[in-house]
Amino acid sequence: GQNIDQPTEMTATEGAIVQINCTYQTSGFNGLFWYQQHAGEAPTFLSYNVLDGLEEKGRFSSFLSRSKGYSYLLLKELQMKDSASYLCAVRPLGGGATNKLIFGTGTLLAVQP
Amino acid sequence: EPEVTQTPSHQVTQMGQEVILRCVPISNHLYFYWYRQILGQKVEFLVSFYNNEISEKSEIFDDQFSVERPDGSNFTLKIRSTKLEDSAMYFCASSAGTGPGNTIYFGEGSWLTVV
Repeated sequence: GQNIDQPTEMTATEGAIVQINCTYQTSGFNGLFWYQQHAGEAPTFLSYNVLDGLEEKGRFSSFLSRSKGYSYLLLKELQMKDSASYLCAVRPLGGGATNKLIFGTGTLLAVQP
Repeated sequence: EPEVTQTPSHQVTQMGQEVILRCVPISNHLYFYWYRQILGQKVEFLVSFYNNEISEKSEIFDDQFSVERPDGSNFTLKIRSTKLEDSAMYFCASSAGTGPGNTIYFGEGSWLTVV
């Protein structure tokens, strides 16, 4: 089966660092994505991991451990505009021309002054 | 920056009516997708489309749904006879390929309300 778990909500303070965790069990693995989604808007791509380790993109970093089925998204120097849902999505390994993503329920991050 | 565009942004329709949601994927992309998100729930995969045919579909994508690429730029989702439970945000997406590093880019969504 396919299962992706993330905390439902988190709260952090402006200027701080927050880590959003994601664990997954999927039928094969071909990459993990993090998206940001503001209410009523489209998911916006943040980062992608397919190999173990840390990927850094400015204030955002994402880590992957395939053996543990675990990833986290790290947001540094939090800003008020970072208040959004953060979606963990896994691309399962499948045959054929497909790029299906399985999404978690998302973590709603509230950044407070 | 290239983007996926969708129309309409919001549509209200009566139960049983047909609805067509339209999308213009990023111009050099070859793989197209529809996802949906019911209010307060997670984003769910509906269908992927490549080389003018469906490459994969989920259990949600039953006979009431169909997709089409009527010309070189548009990609449409048709719901033949809408039900109340079809009310959701429908996201079109596209990617250049399916290998590692090929990101899926989402459109702004079409909010469908079935009454």
